[in-house]
Amino acid sequence: DVKVTQSSRYLVKRTGEKVFLECVQDMDHENMFWYRQDPGLGLRLIYFSYDVKMKEKGDIPEGYSVSREKKERFSLILESASTNQTSMYLCASRGQDYYGYTFGSGTRLTVV
Amino acid sequence: EDQVTQSPEALRLQEGESSSLNCSYTVSGLRGLFWYRQDPGKGPEFLFTLYSAGEEKEKERLKATLTKKESFLHITAPKPEDSATYLCAVQTARGNTGKLIFGQGTTLQVKP
Repeated sequence: DVKVTQSSRYLVKRTGEKVFLECVQDMDHENMFWYRQDPGLGLRLIYFSYDVKMKEKGDIPEGYSVSREKKERFSLILESASTNQTSMYLCASRGQDYYGYTFGSGTRLTVV
Repeated sequence: EDQVTQSPEALRLQEGESSSLNCSYTVSGLRGLFWYRQDPGKGPEFLFTLYSAGEEKEKERLKATLTKKESFLHITAPKPEDSATYLCAVQTARGNTGKLIFGQGTTLQVKP
């Protein structure tokens, strides 16, 4: 089975801190995605990557950046955390021959 | 604009009381429609993929169907362990990056 692993289940950070969320997949998938999930707003795409060192903005990229130096790892960076970035962050990956995503278990980030 | 709408937002059933969840979509060419189950505090878990109108998929008490405008997730004789949020997502024919557009989900509660 494909595994997508997010490094932390829960994180508490202070306003203004630089925050790194890490995601690793073990099935050689080309495409990786970062979403945030908020009550009433559903899943919103932040960034995605379709190859190493390639990235594209999703629907809500402001305040975030990403890094994909290796195929298996996709990092989400909050340059200067703010309270409105408190959310559940979900990473997902997808192979070329299958349209669906495999999700990680999520990181619940609280910015205080 | 591509859009996915799920209804109802929340559904309470008694154990054994069958019902259906709806996912309506307006997209420019459907590549696939996906159903996921999400338990509180966890990432979504894949249930079904449907590719063309008339297609049906089944798994235990769940059955997903697809028309040209909507999909239904039928739950037959539900049990309390079926309580979760059910997410619908579509992939459009636009591009090949694998982006999914999600609905906001239906939260199902099954009481014993």
